Amino acid sequence: EVQLVESGGGLVQPGGSLRLSCAASGFTFSSYWMTWLRQGPVKGLEWVANIKEDGSEKYYVDSVRGRFTISRDNTENSLFLQMNTLRAEDTAVYYCATFRIGYFEKWGQGILVSVSS
Amino acid sequence: QSALTQPASVSGSPGQSITISCTGTSGDIGAYKYISWYQQHPGKAPKLMIYEVSNRPSGISNRFSGSKSGNTASLTISGLRTEDEADYYCSSYTSSNIYVFGIGTTVTVL
Repeated sequence: EVQLVESGGGLVQPGGSLRLSCAASGFTFSSYWMTWLRQGPVKGLEWVANIKEDGSEKYYVDSVRGRFTISRDNTENSLFLQMNTLRAEDTAVYYCATFRIGYFEKWGQGILVSVSS
Repeated sequence: QSALTQPASVSGSPGQSITISCTGTSGDIGAYKYISWYQQHPGKAPKLMIYEVSNRPSGISNRFSGSKSGNTASLTISGLRTEDEADYYCSSYTSSNIYVFGIGTTVTVL
């Protein structure tokens, strides 16, 4: 059974940083594109970033490009999202998910990130 | 990139069929087959229900079906059940090389 478990969320001040992790199990992690999505109170569901199986390609939504970095460690079956220069509008539940071209197949349970002073 | 347009709510009685619309533009829904639908119960993560306009993942009931006409995609739930009460979101790939979602539709079983 596919399992995706996010961690690393919490409360951070504007301008601060957080690193989210996603531990994957139950499937061959290194064979899947992976993605981060978020669900905030204002924008609703939003795709954030994708990363290819081997990490050689990465794509970001405009609002996070230059501030967020997606990465992965296939030896540890883990996905990461380094979030810098956080803003209030980044407040959301963040989900990691497996990505197939065109859709988000299996989702983690989500982790809350709150940006507030 | 604007969000896709969905009705805020749709309701129906048990056993009935309902349809949720998702309207985009010629730069997203109208241009691609990469349209998907997600079901979300309160406090839970979204769950994939339909991909590539009309395909169901393994384990998803055939009461759920998807279609597309022009710039509008639709999700139909037939034989409505109480467990179908949830929020439903559509998503599409876009010509800007990003994925966008709808604002969500709350389905109520009367």
